[in-house]
Amino acid sequence: DQQVKQNSPSLSVQEGRISILNCDYTNSMFDYFLWYKKYPAEGPTFLISISSIKDKNEDGRFTVFLNKSAKHLSLHIVPSQPGDSAVYFCAGIYGGATNKLIFGTGTLLAVQP
Amino acid sequence: SAVISQKPSRDICQRGTSLTIQCQVDSQVTMMFWYRQQPGQSLTLIATANQGSEATYESGFVIDKFPISRPNLTFSTLTVSNMSPEDSSIYLCSVYSGGAYEQYFGPGTRLTVT
Repeated sequence: DQQVKQNSPSLSVQEGRISILNCDYTNSMFDYFLWYKKYPAEGPTFLISISSIKDKNEDGRFTVFLNKSAKHLSLHIVPSQPGDSAVYFCAGIYGGATNKLIFGTGTLLAVQP
Repeated sequence: SAVISQKPSRDICQRGTSLTIQCQVDSQVTMMFWYRQQPGQSLTLIATANQGSEATYESGFVIDKFPISRPNLTFSTLTVSNMSPEDSSIYLCSVYSGGAYEQYFGPGTRLTVT
């Protein structure tokens, strides 16, 4: 049972344009959603998060949107840079004592110069 | 954010042997976790390493196969026991030290079992 899904395995974008990475979830009990970026041979790096009670969170070039009714979130990167090329994972988390992260399958973003 | 190191960074092991992976954090942290990323797959939580008590394992993972220690608030080990080729994965530790649920990950250990 895949509770967090990223249906696009890859995405290619021109430098300077907007990258939009999408994520769907099935479990309404998630308290927070997080986005991570992963380069080859490195661990995932935390990017940005959003509480389930918010619909938008922005940090520099990164903005995450949450649509609870659609159980959908998206990460917008504007403007995209070649250094953004990586695998992006979204994750949902149950709060409380467990702090258990449930990851999606990832989207490989390629930003073309 | 915490600085996390893992040893070894990679290893190639024979079927039937065991490998212990170390995770060291530069500061005391509340919670430590172990994840696995199989080839082409997402990250899956193996267990939560509890300081001073037995680890809490997720469904599908058992202590006999993945024994975990956490002797203090900055260090943990994961052992992959009696390995088979299906255990070939990247193993990652992560930490939570407070804040809005974000966890910080080590660089991972790439394990290949032949």
